[in-house]
Amino acid sequence: DVHMTQSPSTLSASVGDRVTITCRANQSINTWLAWYQQKPGKAPKLLIYKASNLESGVPSRFRGSGSGTEFTLSISSLQPDDFGTYFCQQYNSYSYTFGPGTKVDMK
Amino acid sequence: EVNLVESGGGVVQPGGSLRLSCAASEFSFDRSWMTWVRQAPGKGLEWVANIKHDGSETYYVDSVRGRFIISRDNTQKSLYLQMNSLRVDDTAVYFCARVWSGLDLWGQGTTVTVSS
Repeated sequence: DVHMTQSPSTLSASVGDRVTITCRANQSINTWLAWYQQKPGKAPKLLIYKASNLESGVPSRFRGSGSGTEFTLSISSLQPDDFGTYFCQQYNSYSYTFGPGTKVDMK
Repeated sequence: EVNLVESGGGVVQPGGSLRLSCAASEFSFDRSWMTWVRQAPGKGLEWVANIKHDGSETYYVDSVRGRFIISRDNTQKSLYLQMNSLRVDDTAVYFCARVWSGLDLWGQGTTVTVSS
């Protein structure tokens, strides 16, 4: 089974900061990785698919990169609407796995 | 409007059963793989099950295999999750989602509480 980890688990930042979240897989998943943002009480929202492709309607300040076992999600200039929890998800096989999440809160 | 709407959640005793439904609107449901994802209170996301567009293939997380059954009715544009032998640790919000590249369309979720 593919196991996903994320770091950090919590990140405190200010509006305008550059933010980077790392996601690692315990085996190669090529670029079959997605990133989601979730707000409390809401469904997750797809931000990035296939490691680096921006979902339609997602602001260009979000950027995904990586392949194999290590991936990053970057936000170039954090905006008030960006606070929330971010999850990575692998879909290299028909059995999916999510990372444990990174909560981005206000410093 | 393109959307997914879940229903069927509720409170059930351990060992009981529940059937969740997910109604799809305004997209080619019969061409889409679909999935169920759950989130226990205060916890992260857990993938539960996948089903191929024609229902011919299904996949499950180990913790529900043999207890849950994912199915679909393409004529009704509906996805289902039959949950049997429910346990306290199945308590969660259950989301249905469309599989494209990543999970690009989600429902609002339905809450399942397993408690005596």
